[in-house]
Amino acid sequence: GQSLEQPSEVTAVEGAIVQINCTYQTSGFYGLSWYQQHDGGAPTFLSYNALDGLEETGRFSSFLSRSDSYGYLLLQELQMKDSASYFCAVRGQAGTALIFGKGTTLSVSS
Amino acid sequence: ETGVTQSPTHLIKTRGQQVTLRCSSQSGHNTVSWYQQALGQGPQFIFQYYREEENGRGNFPPRFSGLQFPNYSSELNVNALELDDSALYLCASSLAGGQGGGTQYFGPGTRLLVL
Repeated sequence: GQSLEQPSEVTAVEGAIVQINCTYQTSGFYGLSWYQQHDGGAPTFLSYNALDGLEETGRFSSFLSRSDSYGYLLLQELQMKDSASYFCAVRGQAGTALIFGKGTTLSVSS
Repeated sequence: ETGVTQSPTHLIKTRGQQVTLRCSSQSGHNTVSWYQQALGQGPQFIFQYYREEENGRGNFPPRFSGLQFPNYSSELNVNALELDDSALYLCASSLAGGQGGGTQYFGPGTRLLVL
């Protein structure tokens, strides 16, 4: 089966940098994704790593180490609007369906 | 916005009733997945449809069933509703074999309350 572990909560201040870690156990690996979800909203795609290394998209970066079954999401220059839940997810064996972690709630204060 | 729409937005049912939720996928996407998200949890995979066939299922009982239509829209049906079925139901569309490992584009969800 598959399982993912990530911290339940992270707090930070505006302008800071925060890293959200994710470790996973899978029977087969098809890439690690990150999604953001604001309260009452739909999850939205942030990034995807299929190979080891760092992927950068604006203020957000995501890292993957397949040998360690580990990845992280790095958020820079935090803004109040970044307050949300962040989920790491791996693809299940069924097509493109995702298996999600329980999510990390990020609270950004001024 | 992703272009994925869901209806209704909210629904209240009682135990034992049946419910049908609907989803229209993003234009060009041929795969639809359904997820259940309980409060404070991550989305849980229910099942996935590709070209009108179910091609994957999570750990949900048979009273959760679905359909995909030729235009790739989809329905989720839940029979014999239980209190624990109260959750946000999310539909996501994707393109099988697409870039990014089949990035999922989520609709706004249907919030179901079972009394």
